[in-house]
Amino acid sequence: NAGVTQTPKFQVLKTGQSMTLQCAQDMNHNSMYWYRQDPGMGLRLIYYSASEGTTDKGEVPNGYNVSRLNKREFSLRLESAAPSQTSVYFCASTQGPGNEKLFFGSGTQLSVL
Amino acid sequence: KNEVEQSPQNLTAQEGEFITINCSYSVGISALHWLQQHPGGGIVSLFMLSSGKKKHGRLIATINIQEKHSSLHITASHPRDSAVYICAVRTFQGAQKLVFGQGTRLTINP
Repeated sequence: NAGVTQTPKFQVLKTGQSMTLQCAQDMNHNSMYWYRQDPGMGLRLIYYSASEGTTDKGEVPNGYNVSRLNKREFSLRLESAAPSQTSVYFCASTQGPGNEKLFFGSGTQLSVL
Repeated sequence: KNEVEQSPQNLTAQEGEFITINCSYSVGISALHWLQQHPGGGIVSLFMLSSGKKKHGRLIATINIQEKHSSLHITASHPRDSAVYICAVRTFQGAQKLVFGQGTRLTINP
């Protein structure tokens, strides 16, 4: 099993450009998450999808949009990138919204100049 | 004050030493996760626990719900254990909410 596949691994954008981070899981998980990781801070939740067809805001949703395309795929879009969005982004999934084990993608290192 | 505090922030030890990483939290939780982030950046789930103790190989995780404290122990540490260890708690404020600690950077020297 591939687990959680996240693309791209690296991306450099100019301020104002847009891009979409892709995430797919092959474990038939219901819940999927997007986090960002910044130096000196813990992972912070951007958006999550508890199940196919639903999405909800996390702690830091401003400047982002998401799409739960189907049960496997959950994408994160930056419509107009800003330097404050320079970060490492992680997609994760769990079987459900309870206390299940987390599975993470390999991360996307994004720089916005 | 962060809801989840880890100590120490950085830890350097010699191969073979017994390692303890601590996690304290200030909110009511339904579960606590220990994660390992490798130098290459990938994050792996080590343990999820809501009470007592769990063991996997050389790793042991304990939790004391009354004291709002958890520890991760590594016995017979090895350079390949060098990583950032992250504590995360699932709070009662919505089933989706995980609060992460800042991580403990562990370096094991040969």
